[in-house]
Order: sequence, then structure tokens, then C-alpha cells
Amino acid sequence: DIVMTQSPDSLAVSLGERATINCKSSQSLVYFSNNKNYLAWYQQRPGQSPKLLIYWASTRQSGVPDRFTGSGSGTDFTLTISSLQAEDVAVYYCQQYYTTPYTFGQGTKLEIK
Amino acid sequence: EVQLVQSGAEVKKPGESLKISCKGSGYRFTTYWIGWVRQMPGKGLEWMGIIYPGDSDTRYSPSFQGQVTMSADKSINTAYLRWSSLKASDTAMYFCARRGDGFNHDAFDIWGQGTMVTVSS
Repeated sequence: DIVMTQSPDSLAVSLGERATINCKSSQSLVYFSNNKNYLAWYQQRPGQSPKLLIYWASTRQSGVPDRFTGSGSGTDFTLTISSLQAEDVAVYYCQQYYTTPYTFGQGTKLEIK
Repeated sequence: EVQLVQSGAEVKKPGESLKISCKGSGYRFTTYWIGWVRQMPGKGLEWMGIIYPGDSDTRYSPSFQGQVTMSADKSINTAYLRWSSLKASDTAMYFCARRGDGFNHDAFDIWGQGTMVTVSS
């Protein structure tokens, strides 16, 4: 199985400040035939189902605010929230969909400082 | 509206069987894989497996192979997750989710509301 490791496990950021979450995979997530990174980011607010934010490592899902940005390639990826809003308090997960089982990272809990 | 609606919360005893459901609507159910994800209390997301309702092709995570059975009834746009003998450690929230169409992406873009399963004697 591909192991996904996120850092940090938790993060406290002031409103309006930048939040950065990292995700590292145990093998490359780039598929040779299309040069795409098979990596997604999800947001799970308290008591809610997860919500897709980013796919192909950097493509924002429809309706996701542009303060959310995904970057990275190969084995190292980053989710950046440029200006933290109160509604961004959540647990964030990365997931690889390169090969089954489509493993998730352990999650990063984002709180307001 | 594209949505997945899951069956309601269940409380069961160890050793009992259970089948929970996930009904899709607003899209062509048979052409999108449906995945199942476990979330134990206070813990993260665990990918259990996926099923293609069009032909019931199924891929299980090794961690869940033999522990659960995924199925689908395409005539009623419904996917199922079944346990033959529940254990206390099966206590968790279970989400179904639609995988992308493979052309745009393969991530889980639509999620059900979750089904809470509690196993206790």
C-alpha cells in the first residue's frame, strides 16, 4: 500500500493568516502516460462528511474558494489556505488515487489561534 | 441534484449481521464507481474499497478484504456494505462516496451523509 504522511498533525493559525499543510507519499503519484499527480485534498468540518477541495494535486473543485491552493508533484504535496477564515476550521486529508487501496493521510486538524 | 443518501444509524450486538445502503440520484449510477470509507470515533478516514455498479466489479483494501462485502443493485441505484458477523471494533461512521468519472478525475467528489454503526453487547 502507498503510505500517505501529513504534517503537522495539528495547526493553529490566526484569522487572515496563511495555513500550510504538507503531505508526503511513499512512492511517486505521477502517472507516466498523462503526467498527472493522482492526489486529492479533502476538508472535513466537525460533524460533516468530507468535501473534495483539490484533485490532480492542484485543480480546485468547482465552488471551492480560491484561497485554497494545492501544489507539489511526485511525492511531496502542499495545501495552502492563503487567508484563514473561521469556516476553514476542519480536519484536512490528502488521498492518493494512483493505485488501490486509495489511501488517506492521517489528517491535519486546523484551528484558529 | 447529484447526491448519495445513506441508510440510518444502526445499533447491533456482536455477532449479528448488517447491511447498510447508499442510494445515488441525479446522475447515471451505473457509470461511476462507489467507494466506502470508514471513520472510527475520533479517528481519520480509511479507504475500504470500491464497487462499479455497472458490473459489480469490486476492489477491496487488504485491510477489509474478507471482513465486509460490497454489492450493488443497479436497478434501484443502490450500493450496499454488508457484515456477516459484527464485532465491537466495527463501531464507526461509514461513508459512501462517488469516484470521479476517470476523465475529469478519480477523486471522491460526492459523499453520502454517513451511517453510524454501533456494535455493543
